[in-house]
Amino acid sequence: NAGVMQNPRHLVRRRGQEARLRCSPMKGHSHVYWYRQLPEEGLKFMVYLQKENIIDESGMPKERFSAEFPKEGPSILRIQQVVRGDSAAYFCASSPLPGRSEETQYFGPGTRLLVL
Amino acid sequence: GENVEQHPSTLSVQEGDSAVIKCTYSDSASNYFPWYKQELGKGPQLIIDIRSNVGEKKDQRIAVTLNKTAKHFSLHITETQPEDSAVYFCAARISYNTDKLIFGTGTRLQVFP
Repeated sequence: NAGVMQNPRHLVRRRGQEARLRCSPMKGHSHVYWYRQLPEEGLKFMVYLQKENIIDESGMPKERFSAEFPKEGPSILRIQQVVRGDSAAYFCASSPLPGRSEETQYFGPGTRLLVL
Repeated sequence: GENVEQHPSTLSVQEGDSAVIKCTYSDSASNYFPWYKQELGKGPQLIIDIRSNVGEKKDQRIAVTLNKTAKHFSLHITETQPEDSAVYFCAARISYNTDKLIFGTGTRLQVFP
């Protein structure tokens, strides 16, 4: 059973470009979470999605950031017009059925975004 | 708002000694407390978790204790080994409106042979 998959693992963008980060949850998991980790810091929650539905986006910056989890395909975190402050590691986690005993979140390897 | 404090930020121990990391959470509605180990360049890996209806849980050399009254929980690693060296994060989850995890700031554990 493959774990959470993220790609690309490393992404370099120039200021003003767009960054697209992809996450495929574990097989059988229908809930996806995105977290951001700045250097030497803990993980900060960004957004929680189910298929075709955003459940909680309280951690998402108001501008330039968006996320989706379509019926088919991976979840995508999109950052438009990137700035140097967006440089961070972005982690995706998935869980099978939150709110019940199976609520454990399993993390992917992350995408390390560097904005030049 | 929700907050998780974690101490110490760094911890150095001799191989074979025990290591203890402590966390305090702010929201009494928190009901699930996982611990993650993160090695350099990798994603967080779940090592143990505890739910609010349990006071202690053990898995081989790793144990977690929870004190709901004081709102703190701790990770205990016994007989430490060099491969235990990593950054450890505690987290707390509130499930009444979302299932997001609030993370502590991490503890860098170094085990010297």
